Amino acid sequence: ETGVTQTPRHLVMGMTNKKSLKCEQHLGHNAMYWYKQSAKKPLELMFVYNFKEQTENNSVPSRFSPECPNSSHLFLHLHTLQPEDSALYLCASSQDPRVVNTEAFFGQGTRLTVV
Amino acid sequence: KNEVEQSPQNLTAQEGEFITINCSYSVGISALHWLQQHPGGGIVSLFMLSSGKKKHGRLIATINIQEKHSSLHITASHPRDSAVYICAAPAYSGGGADGLTFGKGTHLIIQP
Repeated sequence: ETGVTQTPRHLVMGMTNKKSLKCEQHLGHNAMYWYKQSAKKPLELMFVYNFKEQTENNSVPSRFSPECPNSSHLFLHLHTLQPEDSALYLCASSQDPRVVNTEAFFGQGTRLTVV
Repeated sequence: KNEVEQSPQNLTAQEGEFITINCSYSVGISALHWLQQHPGGGIVSLFMLSSGKKKHGRLIATINIQEKHSSLHITASHPRDSAVYICAAPAYSGGGADGLTFGKGTHLIIQP
C-alpha cells in the first residue's frame, strides 16, 4: 500500500464511451501525475499538476482530459478513445515539486482496454 | 530531456545468485529512482538516491553522479524478487517537478 489509490483497477470501454479514471492520495502531497504504460514501451509522462495547477501536458491528445479539483484528487476523463490507447494508466504523487529529491509514490494503476 | 537506458532488458537467474541491473542517464540530475513493478502493474518505489549507496534488506543501490550511472544489486536472490525493475530520473535537470522519465525496465526472473 503506497497511499495512492486508483479506481477502477480495470476498465473496458468502447470507442464512443466516456469514462473517468480517479486517483486519490491523502499523503499531503502537492504534486500529482498521470503516466501511461503501453505494452513493450517505457512509462510515459502525460500530465503534471503542481498545487492544483497543470504545469505539464506532454503532447497528449485532447481525448484525454485531466482534472485536479484539489490537491488530493486527480481525474483523467476519457472520450472517443482509440484501441491504441489501451494501456496501464498510473497515477503518482510527490510532496513538493519545488524541492529537489522528492520521492514519488505510485498507485496500482488502471488497466484500460478500448474495444 | 533526460534519456534513461537500462540493461539488461531481461535477466533469468537461479535462486541465491547475485543480481546487478544497470542504469545510465543523459542529463545531470539531483536524484534517481529505482522502482519495482509486479505483475498486475502496481509500482513500488525502492530507492531514491542522490549520491553514494543505499541499502534496504537484500537490495543495494549505488549511484555515480559524475558518470551518470546507477546500479541496483540484489543479494541472495529469491523467486519473490521476480518483477520488473525500473530506473527513473527527473525528466529535466533540477528536480522532479516536471515528472520522471523512465528506462524500459529489466524483467527479472529468479528460478528456484
